[in-house]
Amino acid sequence: DIVMTQSPDSLAVSLGEGATINCQSSQSILYSSNNKNYLAWYQQKPGQPPKLLIYWASTRESGVADRFSGSGSGTDFTLTISNLQAEDVAVYYCQQYYSTPYGFGQGTKLEIK
Amino acid sequence: QVQLQESGPGLVKPSQTLSLTCSVSGGSISSGSYYWSWIRQPAGKGLEWIGRIYASGTANYNPSLKSRVTISVDTSKNQFSLKMTSVTAADTAVYYCARGGTTGTYWFDAWGQGTLVSVSS
Repeated sequence: DIVMTQSPDSLAVSLGEGATINCQSSQSILYSSNNKNYLAWYQQKPGQPPKLLIYWASTRESGVADRFSGSGSGTDFTLTISNLQAEDVAVYYCQQYYSTPYGFGQGTKLEIK
Repeated sequence: QVQLQESGPGLVKPSQTLSLTCSVSGGSISSGSYYWSWIRQPAGKGLEWIGRIYASGTANYNPSLKSRVTISVDTSKNQFSLKMTSVTAADTAVYYCARGGTTGTYWFDAWGQGTLVSVSS
């Protein structure tokens, strides 16, 4: 199984500042035949299901604010949130869909400083 | 806009079978364009993929749960279901149904609101 590890477990950022969340996979999730990274990012607010933010490691889902961006390749990935807004307070998860069983990171809790 | 809604008992006794159904509206399971998954989340913890099913009935399971889990589909009702046998307190969680794509697009772009299942005598 591919294990996904996020860092940090939590972070506090001031409004208007940027936040960076890291995700590492235990093996490469870059599929060589199409040069795509099989990684998604989700945002989960309390009492709600996760919401898809990004897929293919860097493609924003329709309707997602452009303050959210994803980068990385192979085994190391980053979710960057710029100009932090109060509504961004949530837990963020990465997920690999390279192979089953699909796995999620343990989550990173983002709070306002 | 597709919507998913979980339903089923909120309380199950240890050693018994957990049964949940996900009703899909705004789209047809039979379209064959998606896989339909179950994912769970214990309180305050992360997400665990349980398994998925295709409209044809082909299912894939997380090996950690495979011996206890069956996912089935009823295209006539536009529903899919989860059965988990021999439950213990460790199976207490919010259970989500979710839609994932096919041919590599396996992220989850639509989720139900989730249903809390507690395992307790």
